[in-house]
Amino acid sequence: GQNIDQPTEMTATEGAIVQINCTYQTSGFNGLFWYQQHAGEAPTFLSYNVLDGLEEKGRFSSFLSRSKGYSYLLLKELQMKDSASYLCAVRDQGFQKLVFGTGTRLLVSP
Amino acid sequence: DGGITQSPKYLFRKEGQNVTLSCEQNLNHDAMYWYRQDPGQGLRLIYYSQIVNDFQKGDIAEGYSVSREKKESFPLTVTSAQKNPTAFYLCASSIGRVDEKLFFGSGTQLSVL
Repeated sequence: GQNIDQPTEMTATEGAIVQINCTYQTSGFNGLFWYQQHAGEAPTFLSYNVLDGLEEKGRFSSFLSRSKGYSYLLLKELQMKDSASYLCAVRDQGFQKLVFGTGTRLLVSP
Repeated sequence: DGGITQSPKYLFRKEGQNVTLSCEQNLNHDAMYWYRQDPGQGLRLIYYSQIVNDFQKGDIAEGYSVSREKKESFPLTVTSAQKNPTAFYLCASSIGRVDEKLFFGSGTQLSVL
């Protein structure tokens, strides 16, 4: 079966660091994506991991461990505009099989 | 600017009525997708198309239909057979490679009157 787990909601303070975890169980693996989605808007691409390790992109970093079926998104120097939902998605078998988690709603407070 | 345009932003459906959601892209992408988003659930794939004049069912295709007569356009019809159509519908496109990210439209919120 296919299963992707993320925490439902997280809160953090402006300027802090937050780590959003994602665990997955899928029949195949062709990469893991993180998207950001503000309420009522389109999801936007943040990162893509296909090999183990850390990918850094400005204030955002994403980590993958394929053996553990685990990824995290790290957000540094949090800003109010980072309040959004963060979606973890795994490419299962074939390019069309992108399985999404339920998303983690992050609330950043002053 | 290149992108994906969905219309309308809000749509209301009456009982027994079919409604069509528009999706147009000018990114010259081969692949296009329709997802449904419900509160507390992940995005679920309705239909996808890898090339013009071809499309495949996703995980929740029942009660929906699509067409892909032009590369730029991938309209979704929500038929009267879809008994629970209220949701946020997202259209997306990609070049079509396994490692390629999706570009999403801004979505259509469909509600039942």
